[in-house]
Amino acid sequence: QKEVEQDPGPLSVPEGAIVSLNCTYSNSAFQYFMWYRQYSRKGPELLMYTYSSGNKEDGRFTAQVDKSSKYISLFIRDSQPSDSATYLCAMKGGYQKVTFGTGTKLQVIP
Amino acid sequence: DSGVTQTPKHLITATGQRVTLRCSPRSGDLSVYWYQQSLDQGLQFLIQYYNGEERAKGNILERFSAQQFPDLHSELNLSSLELGDSALYFCASSFSGRAYTGELFFGEGSRLTVL
Repeated sequence: QKEVEQDPGPLSVPEGAIVSLNCTYSNSAFQYFMWYRQYSRKGPELLMYTYSSGNKEDGRFTAQVDKSSKYISLFIRDSQPSDSATYLCAMKGGYQKVTFGTGTKLQVIP
Repeated sequence: DSGVTQTPKHLITATGQRVTLRCSPRSGDLSVYWYQQSLDQGLQFLIQYYNGEERAKGNILERFSAQQFPDLHSELNLSSLELGDSALYFCASSFSGRAYTGELFFGEGSRLTVL
């Protein structure tokens, strides 16, 4: 079993839709939870990071962590064509390396 | 622009050959990380260097090696290449060796094709 599982998609939604991206994990030591966005032919860039359980909002993006269920989510409101990218969840615990999910490819259709 | 520079952007070579990928971290960052990205495996951590010293090792094959030089740039050497080594190789950097929050700054990658 992989430490981090992420639905690979692809996910195709109309512009303006609410998008939900999810990951599950098995390592209880994970404390830091991140979402990276990767555009085609580019390197990943950090979109959001949260520590421990709870929600964090940044504009149209909301990151949610449920440590009891070992489940994290990223919600995108009012999705735009410019949101079309691959979204990778990532996690780390303490001094451990960052472990990435395999990524979900999102396409927002105008 | 993340500030991390990787060269070459594209590389095509034959099985059995050896290649070197180069990475310059963001100004002031002491840690360099190498990741391999393939379609079916996602981003796989290979190795981390902090201020010239190896800090952590992931799923790096024995045919692969890396080093970080005094000027903090890093090189990833891939030898006895196999078809399965074809992938995107990313370098990332962070200031702290621990990358405590997990914030890594990635380069644009080096796409390796082994024929």
